Amino acid sequence: EVQLVESGGTLVHPGGSLRLSCAASGFTFSNHEMHWVRQAPGKGLEWLSHIRDFGLTLFYADSVRGRFTLSRDNAKNSMYLQMNSLGPEDTGLYYCVRESRDANNDGFFDLWGRGTMVTVSS
Amino acid sequence: QSVLTQPPSASGTPGQRVTISCSGSSSNVGHTHVNWYHHVSGTAPKLLIYTNNHRPSGVPDRFSGSKSGTSASLVISGLQSEDEGDYHCTSWDVSLNIWVFGGGTKLTVL
Repeated sequence: EVQLVESGGTLVHPGGSLRLSCAASGFTFSNHEMHWVRQAPGKGLEWLSHIRDFGLTLFYADSVRGRFTLSRDNAKNSMYLQMNSLGPEDTGLYYCVRESRDANNDGFFDLWGRGTMVTVSS
Repeated sequence: QSVLTQPPSASGTPGQRVTISCSGSSSNVGHTHVNWYHHVSGTAPKLLIYTNNHRPSGVPDRFSGSKSGTSASLVISGLQSEDEGDYHCTSWDVSLNIWVFGGGTKLTVL
């Protein structure tokens, strides 16, 4: 089955760290650029980070740059998000997302996981 | 505050036609393409429309998208109860160099 499964979300204290994982199955993981998108309670979706197919090129939203580190292991069909210096504003549902491109090389997010919940609270 | 602007809510009765708008600027919607997603709480968001007006396989032709200038629209014809949920638009912003989203529109089928 083609799917993405996130894990690692939990309750963490402010200033703490957490590592999220995304396990991919049913498709050639190394062929796709991957992203993390989060949704804070009652808010819209927020793009966080992007890793290209071989993991050599990374992009981050200003809100997480310097605190979050994205990586991938194509041999394990997995992607990871190391989150440090967490604050209450990082509370939300974190989605692992696959990007595909059309014939004009325009990208779109065609596969999402169900998300893993991160709660930052004392 | 989301970069793209969507109405927070929309509603309609079964069989009706509903339009959801997505307004941006010359650095995102006006510069590149728009994608739309449907999200029911507790499930994975689903790609509904990509590159302004293309439907992935499996998405009914009741769903259509369009873009003009710095605005895009999602039209749902023949509204059905299973269409309830949140609808999100997104576009690449060439000034911010990030994907930007709308705040989402909650659709209720009355």
